[in-house]
Amino acid sequence: SQQGEEDPQALSIQEGENATMNCSYKTSINNLQWYRQNSGRGLVHLILIRSNEREKHSGRLRVTLDTSKKSSSLLITASRAADTASYFCATGLVGAGGTSYGKLTFGQGTILTVHP
Amino acid sequence: NAGVTQTPKFRVLKTGQSMTLLCAQDMNHEYMYWYRQDPGMGLRLIHYSVGEGTTAKGEVPDGYNVSRLKKQNFLLGLESAAPSQTSVYFCASKGEGNTGELFFGEGSRLTVL
Repeated sequence: SQQGEEDPQALSIQEGENATMNCSYKTSINNLQWYRQNSGRGLVHLILIRSNEREKHSGRLRVTLDTSKKSSSLLITASRAADTASYFCATGLVGAGGTSYGKLTFGQGTILTVHP
Repeated sequence: NAGVTQTPKFRVLKTGQSMTLLCAQDMNHEYMYWYRQDPGMGLRLIHYSVGEGTTAKGEVPDGYNVSRLKKQNFLLGLESAAPSQTSVYFCASKGEGNTGELFFGEGSRLTVL
């Protein structure tokens, strides 16, 4: 089964509202990242949070990480129509001997639609 | 600075045909990856490379081969395409180290009939 599972699968909101997406994972991680994908495009990195961090901010983005619950959330505040995209969480696993070579395991994503 | 470039962007193959997807990065990154993206499955790692001349299997390597003859290029080959390989393929690269962001190409959409 997937390492990362995201909830909800789809989210529809009005411009100006906040959007919250959740990610759960199964095994120990050294970092968790969020990516954005516009329709038909490649993934773009949004934010990285390390396993020893609990919260991180970047502009309108706020990410939390709870390693005891193996979960993370991404909050986008004051959303805009341009935020419409798919959002993926990706986990970096603790590799054998401490070496993971930066490999990431992705969740299925949350499709966010922001209506003007 | 182009970042990560994938060619071709679109390709239609018949079952049993072969093809190669090319990924090129101009960021002098050590690590490169090939993922495939299927509806409802997220991205799954096919193969990866931690440096020139090295490759390793990811989560779903069967039916694919890769080569990293030059540091800036990572090739993904399908020797005998199958309909199950219809997917969108993404190449990504990253600097050395266990953590850090991946830089993705725009994707290559492959259809196998």
